[in-house]
Amino acid sequence: DAKTTQPTSMDCAEGRAANLPCNHSTISGNEYVYWYRQIHSQGPQYIIHGLKNNETNEMASLIITEDRKSSTLILPHATLRDTAVYYCIVRVYTGNQFYFGTGTSLTVIP
Amino acid sequence: GAVVSQHPSRVICKSGTSVKIECRSLDFQATTMFWYRQFPKKSLMLMATSNEGSKATYEQGVEKDKFLINHASLTLSTLTVTSAHPEDSSFYICSATRTSGEETQYFGPGTRLLVL
Repeated sequence: DAKTTQPTSMDCAEGRAANLPCNHSTISGNEYVYWYRQIHSQGPQYIIHGLKNNETNEMASLIITEDRKSSTLILPHATLRDTAVYYCIVRVYTGNQFYFGTGTSLTVIP
Repeated sequence: GAVVSQHPSRVICKSGTSVKIECRSLDFQATTMFWYRQFPKKSLMLMATSNEGSKATYEQGVEKDKFLINHASLTLSTLTVTSAHPEDSSFYICSATRTSGEETQYFGPGTRLLVL
């Protein structure tokens, strides 16, 4: 079962930062948080992942709270192409499985 | 790097026939591959975990005799939907992780199956 909860949908103005929250209050100490996005009828695209520290790459930043019970994915300057469903996933440590939750449908508005 | 392909991208078949879907890691070797299915407007549901040279591990509620998985090499896994029925119509997606120990899953583009 998915260990994450996310808002069902969000809107963001083009050019502004999109902040997508995720709760994972039952996460274990050795479990990573992964973020993927899925554009309609395509396979999920990897965005970023982290364990304890905040992470940044060319796509996004990941902010993880100190208690690790929640995280936020930040798209610094949203574009129309960022419209997608964003999934926050806690990776199972032993078998590396991903159990997807419902995700957040992000709509970037012109 | 880390490209995963699936073939076919879409398939239509008659009820009662079997359909094979291929998942290939194009530029890396994959120790583990995963198979998911996704219904319209729903999230991905993990079906099984496949390790090269071993029997697949199926999630609870997934019929292993209906969804046959073979992971014969480090770059290829296949999912065969046997005796397909209309309720098997879905979007099937595979993913793969590298052998290097990195556990990020790289997903294929998906295969849309329609059973008439």
